[in-house]
Amino acid sequence: GNSVTQMEGPVTLSEEAFLTINCTYTATGYPSLFWYVQYPGEGLQLLLKATKADDKGSNKGFEATYRKETTSFHLEKGSVQVSDSAVYFCALKGSGGSYIPTFGRGTSLIVHP
Amino acid sequence: DVKVTQSSRYLVKRTGEKVFLECVQDMDHENMFWYRQDPGLGLRLIYFSYDVKMKEKGDIPEGYSVSREKKERFSLILESASTNQTSMYLCASSPFGGVYEQYFGPGTRLTVT
Repeated sequence: GNSVTQMEGPVTLSEEAFLTINCTYTATGYPSLFWYVQYPGEGLQLLLKATKADDKGSNKGFEATYRKETTSFHLEKGSVQVSDSAVYFCALKGSGGSYIPTFGRGTSLIVHP
Repeated sequence: DVKVTQSSRYLVKRTGEKVFLECVQDMDHENMFWYRQDPGLGLRLIYFSYDVKMKEKGDIPEGYSVSREKKERFSLILESASTNQTSMYLCASSPFGGVYEQYFGPGTRLTVT
């Protein structure tokens, strides 16, 4: 079956530091890949997505590239802010049959001033 | 602006009570989902529905049931609440298809005493 593995947190950074959150996946075919963000006390919201190999998703300074050869979709940001403190979830949806998403366990990011 | 709303943000119930959690989406989405979120366990799928009156069990359906009488509304029912059902409950919806993201509600934090 499908699976998503993302690095455990918490990840603790100082403001303006570079961020990488690793995400690797296992799936058959050509899944779509997603990053969601959950701010404290809220539901998840889409941060970015990529639907085919070599696509780069980007939003709010965050980027992730769909790498089929390494089955990865790592999240990066060049300069984090305190307001980026949240939990980040990597997810995939399969390319056929059931479209139930598979989520990683989430990575907590804490950014200090 | 797309919206998924949940009937309560916070709910406190007693052991043995029947509990209804309601979710409404205004985007005409085919798919709707109920998850629970617990620290260290990420998101776990309880039930999903791909059409009116259609439902499928997720990973942890025991102790829960669902109802989807109208396309926009998906209800989660705890037949006899227990303390181990204390959790954050998240509803989501999405169009049918692998490339589409999910839209989440703000969550209901349920405490069973």
